[in-house]
Formats: sequence, C-alpha cells, structure tokens
Amino acid sequence: GENVEQHPSTLSVQEGDSAVIKCTYSDSASNYFPWYKQELGKRPQLIIDIRSNVGEKKDQRIAVTLNKTAKHFSLHITETQPEDSAVYFCAASIPGSYIPTFGRGTSLIVHP
Amino acid sequence: KAGVTQTPRYLIKTRGQQVTLSCSPISGHRSVSWYQQTPGQGLQFLFEYFSETQRNKGNFPGRFSGRQFSNSRSEMNVSTLELGDSALYLCASSNGQGGYEQYFGPGTRLTVT
Repeated sequence: GENVEQHPSTLSVQEGDSAVIKCTYSDSASNYFPWYKQELGKRPQLIIDIRSNVGEKKDQRIAVTLNKTAKHFSLHITETQPEDSAVYFCAASIPGSYIPTFGRGTSLIVHP
Repeated sequence: KAGVTQTPRYLIKTRGQQVTLSCSPISGHRSVSWYQQTPGQGLQFLFEYFSETQRNKGNFPGRFSGRQFSNSRSEMNVSTLELGDSALYLCASSNGQGGYEQYFGPGTRLTVT
C-alpha cells in the first residue's frame, strides 16, 4: 500500500516568513495529493490539492508543488500570519483505493 | 449542503464498557471513513464503508467495528474499552470515488477512565 512521510513534525516561524512542509510518497501510481489544515479543536479542512498531471498550483498565499519523478510534494505558505498556526496534513491517493493515505502531520506555529 | 455531522460530540466511558458513535455524511455522499486521532499519531484510518459494505479496513483490533445504513449514515462501535482508546474519532464523507476530497465531521471526543 501507499506510505506517506511528512516533515518536519513541528515548524516554528516568525510572522511574515515563509513556511515549507514536505511529503514523500511511495507508490508512483498515486495521482491525487490533498493538503488539510486542522486548527486547534476543529476538524481537518482541505486547503489545496493537486493532481499528478499538474506540477504546481497556487491559491493566494499557499502553493503546492509536485515532483512525480522524485515522488515528493510540498506545501508553501508565504507571508505567514498567526492564523496560519495549525496542524497540516498531506495525503496521497492511489486510483481505485478510494481513501487517501495521510502523513503524520506538521504543527506550524507562527509567532507574531 | 449541510456538512458532516457526528454525535455525540463528547463521551466519557469507563474501561470495559462499549460505545457507539454516529456519523451522518453530506447528502449524496455514499462513502464514510472513520479515523482515530491522538496527539502525535496523526490520522489513523479505521475503516471505510460504501453502500453499506465495508470496503477498506485499517489495522485496528476487532473491538472496533462499524456499519453503514441505507441512508449512508454510519456508526462505529468500540467494545471492551481500554484507556488507550481515548481519542478524537473523526468521520469523513466523500462521493466514494478515488481522488476526491474527503469532508470531515467535527469529531467525537472519547475519554475512557
């Protein structure tokens, strides 16, 4: 089955800095890569996703890049704000598996 | 559309007891997945139901079971509770096809004493 590794487990930045979270996956057949944000005490919510036919996708201050050859994908957050503080989960889906495999999460702390 | 709902939101149980959690998916979604979330352990997949059938299963003991009804609502049961079962239990619904977003419910916080 698919295996997703996520790093770092904790990331501390100053407000205004950029943050990068990296994930690697094991199954080259994976074709869908969502990122979820979970604020303290709340449910995980999708913030951005990318499919294997796209190398990069942006949405305002967040972007995701995908390197299929290296089997890794990353979340980039620019101009971080305190409200970006949360746990971020990456995931990868194999066609036909119906459910994604999640990474263990990254706790992002943005200091004002 | 109404979001995914879970009941109850909080539960306190004693070791050895059993518990049933409920999840109502988004209207039209036929897949419901269950996850256990504990600090530092991320989202541990329990099982997934699609059209009343368990389609995928994680690596949890048989004390953890579930079912899905014809209206796609799902229940999860944990028997003979252990202290280590204390966690946030999340369910997520999707359209049942691979490569599409899962929508999470607010979770049920289970505390076993």
